[in-house]
Amino acid sequence: GESVGLHLPTLSVQEGDNSIINCAYSNSASDYFIWYKQESGKGPQFIIDIRSNMDKRQGQRVTVLLNKTVKHLSLQIAATQPGDSAVYFCAERDDKIIFGKGTRLHILP
Amino acid sequence: ETGVTQTPRHLVMGMTNKKSLKCEQHLGHNAMYWYKQSAKKPLELMFVYSLEERVENNSVPSRFSPECPNSSHLFLHLHTLQPEDSALYLCASSQVVHPSSYNEQFFGPGTRLTVL
Repeated sequence: GESVGLHLPTLSVQEGDNSIINCAYSNSASDYFIWYKQESGKGPQFIIDIRSNMDKRQGQRVTVLLNKTVKHLSLQIAATQPGDSAVYFCAERDDKIIFGKGTRLHILP
Repeated sequence: ETGVTQTPRHLVMGMTNKKSLKCEQHLGHNAMYWYKQSAKKPLELMFVYSLEERVENNSVPSRFSPECPNSSHLFLHLHTLQPEDSALYLCASSQVVHPSSYNEQFFGPGTRLTVL
């Protein structure tokens, strides 16, 4: 079965609000987690990563939270903008990288 | 050009055709990857080349044949494909510093392949 998955296939958020995209993983041996953004017609783009010895990491307008107890990863985007419209997917690494399916983020005007 | 480029961006081919996908990276990286992205499925890693040697082949059918002539170029040769091979084929590159460390991968825009 698939090791990494996302809870929702589509998420609609009002412009200016915060977005939270969730991801569940099943391999407790995974030591590294990554979030990617894929805009229409483009390849995936690295957003932020986190190692398993951390529970939170912040970037520019993005925060990744890692809860190893329940094997849950989330990406928070602050003050969502139209340019944030894309598919977001997480990935985990044990001995290889495994990607999740993705959540499409829609920004409502 | 900068980053990772892929040609062609779109390809339509019949099941008896032979075609090749090309990837070029301008980042000075030493590892390159081929991925398959199908609708509603996660990214699937197909092949990994590190220092021009194939280090990973994830049970990919032999109708897909990769070639890495140098650290900047990667090809995927296609022959006798099936309609279910229609997908977005993504190339990526990274700098391998240590085998056990994750190295950020930079992706190209992909080739949208349709097999009739």
